[in-house]
Amino acid sequence: DVKVTQSSRYLVKRTGEKVFLECVQDMDHENMFWYRQDPGLGLRLIYFSYDVKMKEKGDIPEGYSVSREKKERFSLILESASTNQTSMYLCASSGAGGPAKNIQYFGAGTRLSVL
Amino acid sequence: SQQGEEDPQALSIQEGENATMNCSYKTSINNLQWYRQNSGRGLVHLILIRSNEREKHSGRLRVTLDTSKKSSSLLITASRAADTASYFCATDTGSRLTFGEGTQLTVNP
Repeated sequence: DVKVTQSSRYLVKRTGEKVFLECVQDMDHENMFWYRQDPGLGLRLIYFSYDVKMKEKGDIPEGYSVSREKKERFSLILESASTNQTSMYLCASSGAGGPAKNIQYFGAGTRLSVL
Repeated sequence: SQQGEEDPQALSIQEGENATMNCSYKTSINNLQWYRQNSGRGLVHLILIRSNEREKHSGRLRVTLDTSKKSSSLLITASRAADTASYFCATDTGSRLTFGEGTQLTVNP
């Protein structure tokens, strides 16, 4: 089974702090994604990556950056956390062969509160 | 932008009844997927239907796709309390998935 592990389930940070959310997958998937999920807004894509050291902006990249130095790890960085970044953050990976290559496997999520 | 839109937003049924959720989208797709999310957890993939397929079954799940109407439906038959969750459709346009806002299904014992 594919396993996507997010480093923290719950995180509380203060406004202005630099925040790192880590995600690791164990299936050698090429693609990795970061979403945020808010009530009434569904899942919104922040950034994604198709390969090591490669990144693409999603729908709401402002205030975020990402890092992918190794294939299995994709980090989301909040350079200066703000209260409007309080949310549930979900990491996903995909990349199996054939028609299933775009099926995404999700981590359990990190609920971030910025005070 | 959110391409998929689920309907209804919330659905409450009794155990043993069938649950139907609908999804509409706006652009051409390669395939459409349905995911489930238990409260406070990540999403889990349920089923994928390709753009050239009209219907697909998996256990108690039945998915239909009408590309002319740009819509899909997910039917869960003989529902159980354990089916209580949020259900999301996701459209695959080739480069990424776009998720809808989800339907919250509550199955009462």
